[in-house]
Amino acid sequence: DAKTTQPNSMESNEEEPVHLPCNHSTISGTDYIHWYRQLPSQGPEYVIHGLTSNVNNRMASLAIAEDRKSSTLILHRATLRDAAVYYCILREDSNYQLIWGAGTKLIIKP
Amino acid sequence: DAGITQSPRHKVTETGTPVTLRCHQTENHRYMYWYRQDPGHGLRLIHYSYGVKDTDKGEVSDGYSVSRSKTEDFLLTLESATSSQTSVYFCAISELQGEDYGYTFGSGTRLTVV
Repeated sequence: DAKTTQPNSMESNEEEPVHLPCNHSTISGTDYIHWYRQLPSQGPEYVIHGLTSNVNNRMASLAIAEDRKSSTLILHRATLRDAAVYYCILREDSNYQLIWGAGTKLIIKP
Repeated sequence: DAGITQSPRHKVTETGTPVTLRCHQTENHRYMYWYRQDPGHGLRLIHYSYGVKDTDKGEVSDGYSVSRSKTEDFLLTLESATSSQTSVYFCAISELQGEDYGYTFGSGTRLTVV
């Protein structure tokens, strides 16, 4: 199973951009890259996903390396409400399952 | 909310008793999943369903069974609860039609086995 590697935690200041890195060196050509976040005592929330091209939505941007071995979730202007654990996940094309790692705890400082 | 509810939200049960958790969706999505989450860890897949009466095992299926008799309901049963099954259980839904879609998660069921 392809796995992802993320830093355990990161800190950022409010109203500044945040770049959350993820390594997935064993990704296969058909695995999608998903990002979810989880606020305390809540279920995970979908953020964004992509395959090869960079993606943008109202919540964030996803930058995918050309070789697809790494990706970066970009929050353009962090708020206190963005403090959460962010998971970078590969969706395996063979069985549509999500393989979760331990995630990155994002701390936002006022 | 996104049309997915889990019940109960909290449950305390004794070792050896059967327990059933319910996931109900109003989105008419084909795929449904049961995950467990333990402190400091990501989610681990228990079972999933790709249609009515069509289910398959995930990576941590031992001690759990599932049933899906209707599109909207996916039940997770612990046949004989053990303390190692104390966890937070999340249900998720998705719709895959040749493209990749995001998953929607419920709010979770916190299960304590004493």
